[in-house]
Amino acid sequence: GQSLEQPSEVTAVEGAIVQINCTYQTSGFYGLSWYQQHDGGAPTFLSYNALDGLEETGRFSSFLSRSDSYGYLLLQELQMKDSASYFCAVNYGQNFVFGPGTRLSVLP
Amino acid sequence: NAGVTQTPKFQVLKTGQSMTLQCAQDMNHNSMYWYRQDPGMGLRLIYYSASEGTTDKGEVPNGYNVSRLNKREFSLRLESAAPSQTSVYFCASSEWGTASTNEKLFFGSGTQLSVL
Repeated sequence: GQSLEQPSEVTAVEGAIVQINCTYQTSGFYGLSWYQQHDGGAPTFLSYNALDGLEETGRFSSFLSRSDSYGYLLLQELQMKDSASYFCAVNYGQNFVFGPGTRLSVLP
Repeated sequence: NAGVTQTPKFQVLKTGQSMTLQCAQDMNHNSMYWYRQDPGMGLRLIYYSASEGTTDKGEVPNGYNVSRLNKREFSLRLESAAPSQTSVYFCASSEWGTASTNEKLFFGSGTQLSVL
């Protein structure tokens, strides 16, 4: 199968750090990516892990461990504007398969 | 630079009607995609096109047809709409297939389709 699992909801306070996990039961994919989607908007790209390890882009970091079949997105110094849904995705060549998404709520 | 443009933004159809969703990208990308998004189910791939002249089925192709008209344009057609096709549809493109290693999808703003 190609299923990916994510928590449905996560809540954190402004300024905190939050980790959104993505576990999968698949193999043979090229990489794991993360997308952000605000309500009513389109998904936008955040990060891509082709190799195991940590990728850092400003306040956001993403991690992949193929041996443990999981990855995560780490958001630091949370801001109100980070309230959105976050999707992990794996790609088999140009075929991208998405997880169900995690809704992050940032509280003041 | 407009990126990925899709039309219309909203559409209401009656069961059995047909329509075509249009998508165009101006980034010279080889690959284009159509996804549908339903609550709690993430984005599911309907069809994709790796290059001009080729199309492939994704996870949920039944009830849909696509046309890669040229490198810029990729349309999605519903021949006989059904209530189960009520969803938000997103077109996307990527550089996959070029020398770039940038595995990133660029999405259009979406089409909210309701089938009554």
